[in-house]
Amino acid sequence: AQSVTQLGSHVSVSEGALVLLRCNYSSSVPPYLFWYVQYPNQGLQLLLKYTTGATLVKGINGFEAEFKKSETSFHLTKPSAHMSDAAEYFCAVSSYSGAGSYQLTFGKGTKLSVIP
Amino acid sequence: EAQVTQNPRYLITVTGKKLTVTCSQNMNHEYMSWYRQDPGLGLRQIYYSMNVEVTDKGDVPEGYKVSRKEKRNFPLILESPSPNQTSLYFCASSSRAGGFQETQYFGPGTRLLVL
Repeated sequence: AQSVTQLGSHVSVSEGALVLLRCNYSSSVPPYLFWYVQYPNQGLQLLLKYTTGATLVKGINGFEAEFKKSETSFHLTKPSAHMSDAAEYFCAVSSYSGAGSYQLTFGKGTKLSVIP
Repeated sequence: EAQVTQNPRYLITVTGKKLTVTCSQNMNHEYMSWYRQDPGLGLRQIYYSMNVEVTDKGDVPEGYKVSRKEKRNFPLILESPSPNQTSLYFCASSSRAGGFQETQYFGPGTRLLVL
């Protein structure tokens, strides 16, 4: 079974500072990895995803993530935090769940606060 | 506009009173799924459907039912709700074309309180 671990349920950064949200996964096969963002009182939306190819993936709003197979990690970064980045971020791995179907398994989420 | 809609958005009910949360998507997606979100637990999958008349259990299916009679609709049914089903529920859909790689599109959520 696949699993996703997000280190830190709550991260605070100052406006303009580097954002680093950590995600480690366990997978017995090459994974497909996703970061979703949830703004207050909204549903989730895709930030970026890794499927194949380049290991550095760029997403919306200046975010990027690097797939490191040797470390089983897919950490999310943004060079300079903006107040509008305050949200909850979920890392997820897509895996085969049998009979031709697949399943998205989420980490527990990291709530990002941005301090003015 | 491409979207996933859920109704109702907020619901307060009492233990044992059957309820249905509707989910509809207008993107002609084959795959649809229900999740519940609880503080500190993230999102957990309840049920999913790969296509019409094809449904399967996710990680936390107990106490829930689903049906997929039409491609666009995937209602979540709580036959006898209990307080431990108080949660925030999300419906999501995606195309099957890319399989594992597909992005899931989420509805706005339904906040359920069972007294």
